[in-house]
Amino acid sequence: EAGVVQSPRYKIIEKKQPVAFWCNPISGHNTLYWYLQNLGQGPELLIRYENEEAVDDSQLPKDRFSAERLKGVDSTLKIQPAELGDSAVYLCASSPAAGYTGELFFGEGSRLTVL
Amino acid sequence: GDSVTQMEGPVTLSEEAFLTINCTYTATGYPSLFWYVQYPGEGLQLLLKATKADDKGSNKGFEATYRKETTSFHLEKGSVQVSDSAVYFCALNAGNNRKLIWGLGTSLAVNP
Repeated sequence: EAGVVQSPRYKIIEKKQPVAFWCNPISGHNTLYWYLQNLGQGPELLIRYENEEAVDDSQLPKDRFSAERLKGVDSTLKIQPAELGDSAVYLCASSPAAGYTGELFFGEGSRLTVL
Repeated sequence: GDSVTQMEGPVTLSEEAFLTINCTYTATGYPSLFWYVQYPGEGLQLLLKATKADDKGSNKGFEATYRKETTSFHLEKGSVQVSDSAVYFCALNAGNNRKLIWGLGTSLAVNP
């Protein structure tokens, strides 16, 4: 069974440029999460989707960050414009809707460097 | 609010040494507790979990016991290997909101 797939793995951009990250969750997982992980920190939730619906986006900086999950499968996280402080690893995770146990399945992450 | 506190790293051990990584939590109600591990270059993955007081989670030689009286979930392994070198995260989930609260992570390096 394929795991959570993220791309790109690495991205280097100049500040004020836009950037987008893509995530394909495990097949059949209705819940999708985007997390931000700074060096030496734990993951911080940006947004959680149940199918197509964003059910928790309270921590998403909506002035520059946006996300979508069309058709309730793949998801894209966008930053426009990027700032120096956005340099971090962006993690995508998924979990099945039924029988939630607290186990999240993570992708390898997308490491963003803003110069 | 809910929170998780882990011992600071990095932790450096020799192979076959005993490992303890402390984790304490603050939560309302009765949270579920987790240890996740992040190996170099890989994504986070669940190592073990416990859903109620006195439960012991175990996997790959690691163990952790849910201690409600001390609000702790310490990770232990009797004999570490070089392949255990990774960052370990303690986390909790309180309520039905599917929101994990994470510790800062503890980096472990095991030398041969």
